Amino acid sequence: EIVMTQSPAVLSVSPGERAILSCRASQSVGSDLAWHQQKPGQAPRLIMYGAYVRATGVPARFSGSGSGTEFTLTISSLQSEDFAVYYCLQYNNWPPLTFGGGTKVEIK
Amino acid sequence: EVRLVESGGGLGRPGGSLRLSCAASGFAFETYEMHWVRQAPGKGLEWISYIDFSDGAAYYADSVKGRFTISRDNAKKSLDLDMNSLRDDDTAVYYCARGPPPFDPWGPGTLVTVAS
Repeated sequence: EIVMTQSPAVLSVSPGERAILSCRASQSVGSDLAWHQQKPGQAPRLIMYGAYVRATGVPARFSGSGSGTEFTLTISSLQSEDFAVYYCLQYNNWPPLTFGGGTKVEIK
Repeated sequence: EVRLVESGGGLGRPGGSLRLSCAASGFAFETYEMHWVRQAPGKGLEWISYIDFSDGAAYYADSVKGRFTISRDNAKKSLDLDMNSLRDDDTAVYYCARGPPPFDPWGPGTLVTVAS
């Protein structure tokens, strides 16, 4: 099983600032890495796949990078609607499909 | 509009059974694999099951293997999850999600609470 580790667990950021979220895989997943955003009381929403491809409707302030075992999600200028929990998901080698533990982006 | 809506959640007893359903609309359900993912209260996401679009081939997480069964009815555009031998740690919101991964979209989820 591929273990996904996200850091930090909580990221405190002021609106307008940049947020950088990290996700590490226990073995290479190539570029088969996605990011999902989850707001309180809502289902997750796909925002990035293939490590750096934005899903439909996702603003350009979201960008993804990385391959192999190290990945980053960057939100260039945080807006109020971006405060949420973000999960990475590897889909290179499964079952099982595995998620990271999540990073909560909160208002500083 | 592509839409998934889960139903069937509620209170289950330890050792008991529940059946969840997911109604799909807005897409050719019979051509997509489908998945169940769950989220315990205050916790992260856990993938639990997959079913192939055609021959019904299925995979399960170790945590539910032998207790849960995934199935689908392409004519009714419905995905089901039969949950048996329920345990306290099965308490979670259960989401259906359209495959293949990375999952898009997800349903709003249905809450299952296992308690005596």
